[in-house]
Amino acid sequence: DIQMTQSPSSVSASVGDSVTITCQASQDITNYLNWYQQKPGKAPKLLIYEASNLETGVPSRFSGSGSGTDFTFTISSLQPEDIATYYCQQYDNVPITFGQGTRLEIK
Amino acid sequence: EVQLLESGGGLVQPGGSLRLSCAASGFSFSTYAMSWVRQAPGKGLEWVSGMSGSDMYRYYADSVKGRFTISRDNSKNTLYLQMNSLRAADTAVYYCAKEQWQMTSVTTLEYWGQGTLVTVSS
Repeated sequence: DIQMTQSPSSVSASVGDSVTITCQASQDITNYLNWYQQKPGKAPKLLIYEASNLETGVPSRFSGSGSGTDFTFTISSLQPEDIATYYCQQYDNVPITFGQGTRLEIK
Repeated sequence: EVQLLESGGGLVQPGGSLRLSCAASGFSFSTYAMSWVRQAPGKGLEWVSGMSGSDMYRYYADSVKGRFTISRDNSKNTLYLQMNSLRAADTAVYYCAKEQWQMTSVTTLEYWGQGTLVTVSS
């Protein structure tokens, strides 16, 4: 199975800050990488697909980049409603696998 | 509007069985692969199983292979997960999720249900 390693596991930032989360795959997954947001008590929500494509309706302050084994997810100007846990997920191989998650808190 | 509504969760003893259902609406159900993903209390996401719209393929995580069976009834727009030989480690919220694109394999989970809680305990 492909292992996905996210860092950091948690991050605290202020409203308006830029926040970056990284995700590393245990092998080359080209650009078969998605990012999800999960708010407490809610189901995950797809934000970014195929490494860099913004899902319809998702604010443009969210972005993704990368290919191969190293990927980045960025929130350009943090908003209070962005408090959540963020997960990367690969789909190069089945089983699809998720990173362990990054908990985002507001300072 | 896409809607996914899971049901069937509850408390079950170790070694017991449970069948989860996911009622889908708002899209052409038979043309989309569907998956089950679970989340143990306070933990991350774990993909459990997925199947194609036409039942051409079914996939399972190693942790549930041989114990869980995914199926679907396209005439009823419903996805199922039959769970047998349940263990404490299977305790989790179980989500059903719809693929982003038609006629694809298990790739991108675009819509998720609200989840149903399965608790395995004596």
